[in-house]
Amino acid sequence: AQKITQTQPGMFVQEKEAVTLDCTYDTSDPSYGLFWYKQPSSGEMIFLIYQGSYDQQNATEGRYSLNFQKARKSANLVISASQLGDSAMYFCAMREGLSYNTDKLIFGTGTRLQVFP
Amino acid sequence: DAGITQSPRHKVTETGTPVTLRCHQTENHRYMYWYRQDPGHGLRLIHYSYGVKDTDKGEVSDGYSVSRSKTEDFLLTLESATSSQTSVYFCAISLSGRSFGTEAFFGQGTRLTVV
Repeated sequence: AQKITQTQPGMFVQEKEAVTLDCTYDTSDPSYGLFWYKQPSSGEMIFLIYQGSYDQQNATEGRYSLNFQKARKSANLVISASQLGDSAMYFCAMREGLSYNTDKLIFGTGTRLQVFP
Repeated sequence: DAGITQSPRHKVTETGTPVTLRCHQTENHRYMYWYRQDPGHGLRLIHYSYGVKDTDKGEVSDGYSVSRSKTEDFLLTLESATSSQTSVYFCAISLSGRSFGTEAFFGQGTRLTVV
């Protein structure tokens, strides 16, 4: 079963507008962490933001915020004031389990965001 | 930047030949991972390691083996490469499994083509 689902293969947004990238996850573990990574065309993976399952507030990092809805098992990434440099592939990922050895970081299939002037 | 080096960065090999990809870190991180990235599939976990000589399978481990004899090195071996293993391979490292907020740092990737 897919643990991380990103239903938007591609998204377009105009520069300076906000955009939301969707991510839903599946876990029965009460303890887990959710991550977003950016992959520009150059190929490197860049960590953007993290949300823990017990965090009371939504995570924010500059123009990035994570809209965490625990009951719906969603962790959408919101990018405010989009810039041309935000054009990239975005991946949602999850780490679950408290077991010492269970540190699998599982990724979704990604959303390609294109920002146009 | 996290000290992660993948080698080689590019490789073309023939079907049926063995291939070993190396991931080397200078950060002394406990956890190391191998992923493959394919269009439409995102990043899929192949194997990971939670310490020296401690490894476990990921989602797509068939056809791959790994070894970690030193903290700093994590090797991925394709015993007999097939065309379906043509992909971009990423190594990643992470500090600890006890801290959910510890992000993984990625290497630059290895583009492997099996012909």
